[in-house]
Amino acid sequence: NAGVTQTPKFRVLKTGQSMTLLCAQDMNHEYMYWYRQDPGMGLRLIHYSVGEGTTAKGEVPDGYNVSRLKKQNFLLGLESAAPSQTSVYFCASSYPEAGSYEQYFGPGTRLTVT
Amino acid sequence: GNSVTQMEGPVTLSEEAFLTINCTYTATGYPSLFWYVQYPGEGLQLLLKATKADDKGSNKGFEATYRKETTSFHLEKGSVQVSDSAVYFCALWGGLTGGGNKLTFGTGTQLKVEL
Repeated sequence: NAGVTQTPKFRVLKTGQSMTLLCAQDMNHEYMYWYRQDPGMGLRLIHYSVGEGTTAKGEVPDGYNVSRLKKQNFLLGLESAAPSQTSVYFCASSYPEAGSYEQYFGPGTRLTVT
Repeated sequence: GNSVTQMEGPVTLSEEAFLTINCTYTATGYPSLFWYVQYPGEGLQLLLKATKADDKGSNKGFEATYRKETTSFHLEKGSVQVSDSAVYFCALWGGLTGGGNKLTFGTGTQLKVEL
């Protein structure tokens, strides 16, 4: 199993440009998450999904949109990038029905907005 | 709401030294507690977990005991190695309130181990 994968690994955008980050998992997990990691602030939840076709807002959702059209994929979109969105983005998944509450993380996408 | 407080880093130790990274939490009910580790350039990996009071999680020589009376989950290792250099995150799962299975993370503690 590849686990959780993210593409791309790095990206540089200009202010106002748009992009989509792709997360894929092959563990048949129901729940998926998008976090951003900033120095001194730990991980903050952007959006999450509890199943195919569902999405919900997390702690810092403004400026981002998400879609979960297939169970194995969770897309994070930036419609008009801003320098404040410069960060490292992590995707994660979990399978709480198995009584296991830990999350499995992808390797991250480093995004710079100039 | 739930919160996790970790000691600030960086923590710099010599190889074979004893490690303690403090973590305290605020939560209602009976949360599950986790330590994650992030090696340079990588995502977070689960290091250990404890799901109820007095449980001890352990892995790779690291240990942490769930202390409900002090609301703490301190990470310890008896003899650190250079390869343990990483950022360590304490995290809390407070239950399926409103759905989402959300984790609350601390801000992370960077550990540097020198020869």
